[in-house]
Amino acid sequence: AQKITQTQPGMFVQEKEAVTLDCTYDTSDPSYGLFWYKQPSSGEMIFLIYQGSYDQQNATEGRYSLNFQKARKSANLVISASQLGDSAMYFCAFFNTNAGKSTFGDGTTLTVKP
Amino acid sequence: ETGVTQTPRHLVMGMTNKKSLKCEQHLGHNAMYWYKQSAKKPLELMFVYNFKEQTENNSVPSRFSPECPNSSHLFLHLHTLQPEDSALYLCASSQDPLGQRASYEQYFGPGTRLTVT
Repeated sequence: AQKITQTQPGMFVQEKEAVTLDCTYDTSDPSYGLFWYKQPSSGEMIFLIYQGSYDQQNATEGRYSLNFQKARKSANLVISASQLGDSAMYFCAFFNTNAGKSTFGDGTTLTVKP
Repeated sequence: ETGVTQTPRHLVMGMTNKKSLKCEQHLGHNAMYWYKQSAKKPLELMFVYNFKEQTENNSVPSRFSPECPNSSHLFLHLHTLQPEDSALYLCASSQDPLGQRASYEQYFGPGTRLTVT
């Protein structure tokens, strides 16, 4: 079974600075994906970014980028130029492409300070 | 209405009650999911329906009964729940979890905050 680990329960960042949220995973499957979601206090999970295991380049979506290091089995989320609205819970999820389902990490609470 | 909607947003029920949670997606997706999010646990996948067929039951107690009448609607019927079932129940949909990568992304609803007294 796949295991996904987010080692940072909470993170603080100053507004306008960049922050990296860690995510590591454990799998023996060659084909898989990594998702990052944002969950504000309202509860809704918002898709941020996806990285496939065979992708040659790191995924980017606006201010979000994924630092994918396949050999280290890490898929860290980098948020550039943090905004107050980025304060939320962030979840990394391992996607099993054979089974078509995701396993979520415990999440990291990000607080952006003005 | 767009996206994934869930009703009710909040629900308080006694252990002997019977209630249902409703999820509707307006995205034309073929797969729908129920997740449970408890305060001190990671998001837990409960059920998956793909093209109206249940493809995953993650060892969920029988007091939770899902129903998927069509690809756009998903219900979670609740009966004789326990206080430890209190949680945020999230519904999600995706185009096709077993298809091409563009169809993997899950879109979530706002959740139903359930309290069992």
